[in-house]
Amino acid sequence: EAQVTQNPRYLITVTGKKLTVTCSQNMNHEYMSWYRQDPGLGLRQIYYSMNVEVTDKGDVPEGYKVSRKEKRNFPLILESPSPNQTSLYFCASSLSGRTGANYGYTFGSGTRLTVV
Amino acid sequence: AQSVTQLDSQVPVFEEAPVELRCNYSSSVSVYLFWYVQYPNQGLQLLLKYLSGSTLVKGINGFEAEFNKSQTSFHLRKPSVHISDTAEYFCAVRPSNYQLIWGAGTKLIIKP
Repeated sequence: EAQVTQNPRYLITVTGKKLTVTCSQNMNHEYMSWYRQDPGLGLRQIYYSMNVEVTDKGDVPEGYKVSRKEKRNFPLILESPSPNQTSLYFCASSLSGRTGANYGYTFGSGTRLTVV
Repeated sequence: AQSVTQLDSQVPVFEEAPVELRCNYSSSVSVYLFWYVQYPNQGLQLLLKYLSGSTLVKGINGFEAEFNKSQTSFHLRKPSVHISDTAEYFCAVRPSNYQLIWGAGTKLIIKP
């Protein structure tokens, strides 16, 4: 089944303790992206990747890191989490991220992160 | 600047009544348009999309949307909603010179 798999689904952690949220897709998609979803703010893009070894900042990249060493994986790293990073996180992928491409996105099921 | 506006943050409607969720966008170039749905505790899934051709687009679960170029709108409609339609709905626009731009979402609340 074509899908985007995120892990974990739920995570509670303490301020400053490094964590990684994994994202994997099995559709050979070039484009992958991380979003956070907060009430009243909709989806805000954190980082995106047009292809392997190509990553770029989205609208809210502060406090996050990503890497794209393989096409299928796009982990999100919080080196020193803070309470304002408590949010619902989604990974998404698309066949192509090039400007104007008409492909839709496939989303993971989300990771609910709480930083105390 | 290019943007997407979903005019209502919440839309309450009685079961079996019709519903319209509004989406307007601002872009000086041609666009592709999408509606996504997020059911409680789930990720987003594609409901329907307009790429070209007929301006009336049909999607899953009985939803449809109409692209109105002159009014720069892409409103989502369903003639009769069911309790299972309770979800948050996101409009997204992909201009020909840019990546995807998201609206803030509209929560559809179905009253029994």
